[in-house]
Amino acid sequence: DVKVTQSSRYLVKRTGEKVFLECVQDMDHENMFWYRQDPGLGLRLIYFSYDVKMKEKGDIPEGYSVSREKKERFSLILESASTNQTSMYLCASSPPSFRATTYTDTQYFGPGTRLTVL
Amino acid sequence: QKEVEQNSGPLSVPEGAIASLNCTYSDRGSQSFFWYRQYSGKSPELIMSIYSNGDKEDGRFTAQLNKASQYVSLLIRDSQPSDSATYLCAAESTGTASKLTFGTGTRLQVTL
Repeated sequence: DVKVTQSSRYLVKRTGEKVFLECVQDMDHENMFWYRQDPGLGLRLIYFSYDVKMKEKGDIPEGYSVSREKKERFSLILESASTNQTSMYLCASSPPSFRATTYTDTQYFGPGTRLTVL
Repeated sequence: QKEVEQNSGPLSVPEGAIASLNCTYSDRGSQSFFWYRQYSGKSPELIMSIYSNGDKEDGRFTAQLNKASQYVSLLIRDSQPSDSATYLCAAESTGTASKLTFGTGTRLQVTL
C-alpha cells in the first residue's frame, strides 16, 4: 500500500509567518506534487518535482517555494503567510510514466493539511 | 489553459440506481484519465484509471472513454449511501509527463 503522510492535519498561523508543510512518501516514487484545494476552484497545482533537488512550477506558484533534499520528502514553504493562503493543502506522489509514450501513472494523495492564516 | 470540465451537481440518485458522472477535457493529446472519490474533509482516493477507448469495469464501477469526443464517464451501479462523495475527474497534461489536470468535481448524493 502506498503511504503518503503530511506533517499536520490542521495548522493555524499568523500573517507574515514562515510556514513549512512536509510530505513524506514510502513508495520510492520519483514524482511528488503539492496542490491546494479551495471550494469551487478544485485542485490547483502549486509545485511538483521529478527527482531530488528538481522542482517545477505548477499553475499557482506565487508566494510558495519547495524543497526536495531527499527522494521521499517534499516540503512546501510559505515564505510570508497571507490570509489568501488559507486553504487545504494536499501532497501527492506517483511513479514515473510507465510506458514509452506519455502515459501517466496514478497520483496517490496524503491526508491533507488544513491551513488557516489569521 | 488545458481544462477538465465537470457538472458540479449535486447529482441525486436513489439507493440501488445507476449513477452516471461525466467529464470532458480540452487537451486532445491526453492519454491517461483517472476518477478519484473524495469524501468531505478527506483527500482524494483513486477509483479507476483508463487509458484506452471503451469501457473498463471494476466491481460496481465502470469507466468509459471516448477520445474522439474528449469525454470520460464513470458509472456506479447499485449505488449505496456510502458512495455519496465528490468525484473528481483528472486528465494527463501532455507535454509535462506525470502532471494531471483535475476537474472541480461532481457531488453525488445517494438517497435512501
